[in-house]
Amino acid sequence: DIQMTQSPSSVSASVGDRVTITCRASQGISNWLAWYQQRPGMAPKLLIYGASTLHSGVPSRFSGSGSGTDFTLTISSLQPEDFATYYCQQGNSFPPLTFGGGTKVEVK
Amino acid sequence: QLQLQESGPGLVKPSETLSLICTVSGGSITSSSYFWGWIRQPPGEGLEWIGTVYYSGTTYYNTSLKSRVNISVDTSKNLFSLNLNSVTAADTAVYFCARWNRLMATAIDSWGQGTLVTVSS
Repeated sequence: DIQMTQSPSSVSASVGDRVTITCRASQGISNWLAWYQQRPGMAPKLLIYGASTLHSGVPSRFSGSGSGTDFTLTISSLQPEDFATYYCQQGNSFPPLTFGGGTKVEVK
Repeated sequence: QLQLQESGPGLVKPSETLSLICTVSGGSITSSSYFWGWIRQPPGEGLEWIGTVYYSGTTYYNTSLKSRVNISVDTSKNLFSLNLNSVTAADTAVYFCARWNRLMATAIDSWGQGTLVTVSS
């Protein structure tokens, strides 16, 4: 099974900061990677699929990059509504469909 | 606008069976572009894939749950179901139903709102 490792597990940041989250796959997954945002008490929301394609309606301050085993989610200028937990998910080698452990973006 | 809605008991006794239904509206469950399934999230923890079903009925399960889980689809009612037997407190979680989009590199483009299931006597 492919393992997905996210880092950091949490990050403290301020409004306007640039935030970068990393996801590493235990083996190559091409660009079969998605990023999700989850606010407390809510279902996750798709931000990016195919490693770098912004989902419809997602603000352009979110961007994704990477291929193979190393991937990055970047928030270029953190907004108040971006304080949340972010997850990556691989869809290349299935089953299983595996998620990263999550990264919580907290107020500094 | 596609909507997924989970329904089922919020409290299940240990050793019994957890049963949930996900009703799909605003789209057909029989499209070959998608597959459907369940994810859970224990309180304060991350996301765990439970299993996935195609409209044809083909299923895939998390190996850690495979002996206890069954997911089925009812195309006539546009819904799919989860049964997890012999539950323990460790199965207490928010359960989400979801749609994976094969045209989006197998990303989940639609989620149910989630339903909390507590296992307790």
